[in-house]
Amino acid sequence: DGGITQSPKYLFRKEGQNVTLSCEQNLNHDAMYWYRQDPGQGLRLIYYSQIVNDFQKGDIAEGYSVSREKKESFPLTVTSAQKNPTAFYLCASSIQGIKGQPQHFGDGTRLSIL
Amino acid sequence: GDSVTQMEGPVTLSEEAFLTINCTYTATGYPSLFWYVQYPGEGLQLLLKATKADDKGSNKGFEATYRKETTSFHLEKGSVQVSDSAVYFCALSVETGRRALTFGSGTRLQVQP
Repeated sequence: DGGITQSPKYLFRKEGQNVTLSCEQNLNHDAMYWYRQDPGQGLRLIYYSQIVNDFQKGDIAEGYSVSREKKESFPLTVTSAQKNPTAFYLCASSIQGIKGQPQHFGDGTRLSIL
Repeated sequence: GDSVTQMEGPVTLSEEAFLTINCTYTATGYPSLFWYVQYPGEGLQLLLKATKADDKGSNKGFEATYRKETTSFHLEKGSVQVSDSAVYFCALSVETGRRALTFGSGTRLQVQP
């Protein structure tokens, strides 16, 4: 079955440590996105990529970095500069160029501070 | 900028009650509108969508109509079940720029037997 796989499901970060969240899709989608979800809030856009080897900052990119070396993969690194990283992180992908195409989501990674 | 406003939750209903979750939006351009559902500990699943005015999206007994004149996309279901308990998100996307989704804050629905 096609879909989006996020790993790990749970992740713990120590002070001063960088951690990387994995996102892989086999839907052949051009566009991929990372969102952050805090309790009782909607999702906020961290980074997005509409094509391989290109990505753009979203609304809350500070303290995060990404890469898009392959169409299938869009890993997110939470750096030590992100002072409040505890949240639920969701990766999504979509087809580009057709109006109304929905985004498909992975099952998320829950990041906590040790 | 683009924004989505949803009614505050939680919404608590008895089984077989009628459900309405209000959603209004502001957007530059002509957005597509979506409802997503999130079950505990999971990602978001597309529930339904509409891409132009007066379109009605429907799925699993849920419906929403794209009302351009009132900039609304209210979610309705005639008879809720306990299994409908989840968080519901209204969202929009536009066809220019980053094309990412803009989400409302979510509405938690609790259905009691």
